[in-house]
Formats: sequence, C-alpha cells, structure tokens
Amino acid sequence: LAKTTQPISMDSYEGQEVNITCSHNNIATNDYITWYQQFPSQGPRFIIQGYKTKVTNEVASLFIPADRKSSTLSLPRVSLSDTAVYYCLVGDRRGGSQGNLIFGKGTKLSVKP
Amino acid sequence: NAGVTQTPKFQVLKTGQSMTLQCAQDMNHEYMSWYRQDPGMGLRLIHYSVGAGITDQGEVPNGYNVSRSTTEDFPLRLLSAAPSQTSVYFCASSYPDRNSPLHFGNGTRLTVT
Repeated sequence: LAKTTQPISMDSYEGQEVNITCSHNNIATNDYITWYQQFPSQGPRFIIQGYKTKVTNEVASLFIPADRKSSTLSLPRVSLSDTAVYYCLVGDRRGGSQGNLIFGKGTKLSVKP
Repeated sequence: NAGVTQTPKFQVLKTGQSMTLQCAQDMNHEYMSWYRQDPGMGLRLIHYSVGAGITDQGEVPNGYNVSRSTTEDFPLRLLSAAPSQTSVYFCASSYPDRNSPLHFGNGTRLTVT
C-alpha cells in the first residue's frame, strides 16, 4: 500500500499562495493522487485528482513531477475559509475497490487575517 | 439531492450496548465505505462494499459488522460497544471507477461510556 507523508501543519495569511507537498515514494504505476479538504464537524470533500504533470480546477492546482514520488497541492490566494485539514491519498481504484486508499493524518492549514 | 445521509448525528452508548449507524446515499453509487476518525489519527477504513451483497474488511474492522442488501444503504453495526469505539464515524460512497471521488456524509459522533 502506498503511504504518504505530509506536513502536520502549515500557517499562512490571507491572499497568499499556499503549497502543500505530499511525499509518496512507493507510488505504483496505476496509482492516482487525490486531495481532500475537511472542515471541522464535516466529512472530507474532494478537491482535485491527477496522475501526472499538472491538473487545475476552479479550486486548486496539482503539480506532479515526472517521477511521481511527490505531489504539490497549490491553493491560490487563500482566505480564512480555506482553514481546514488537507489529505493526500495515493491508490489504484480499479474495479471500484478503495481498500487500498489510506487517509493519513493530513495537513492542518491555518489561514490568518 | 441529499447526497450521503448519516443518522444519528450524535449518540451516547453504555459499554455493552448495541446500535446501528445508518448511511444512505441517493446517487446510485455502487461503492460505499465506513471510516472512523480519532484525534490525531486521520481517517481509518473500517469496512467497505463494492456493490449490493458484497462487503470486505478495511484497516480496523474488529468490533463492527456491515451488510449491503441494497445499493442505497450501508449500515454499520456495533454489537457490543466499547469505550475504544468512541469516535466520529463517516460514511462515503462513489462510482466504481478509478477517477470517481468519494462523497462523504457529515458524520456520527459516538461516545461510549
């Protein structure tokens, strides 16, 4: 099972760009990289997913280098409402199974005014 | 569209009591799963199901039972509650393809005294 390593916590200020890096040295060929966001008293919410290079949506960007041993979630111009825990997951969901998707402890992002 | 609905939101049990945590989804997702979240531990997979009639164990299955008689419902049963099962429980669902994100409910906070 591919495990991930991310910083426990990060601090930022409103308007700054935040980059959270996730290390996944033993990522397998068929594994995708997925990021979730969790607010207090809520379930995690899907943010972005990618396999290689760069993926961008209305919320964030995901940068994946050629060796795929790490990935970086980029949040542009954060606001106070971006304060949350961010989880990086690596796994292969062929056949729909998610038994091999492991949620780590996540990165607690605190955005200050 | 209700998404993933979990009931109850809060529950207090005494050691040895039994109860069922309910999870229902209205998105016709084949895949459903249960996680528990403890402080500083991230989310840990308890059981999951890739379709009606099919269940499998996750990372921490002991003390919990599940069944999947319909596509919509995936109840989690505690046969004899223990204080170690005090936690927040999240149900999630998704389509059975590798790019489909997990949709989470808002959790059930369980306290066992």
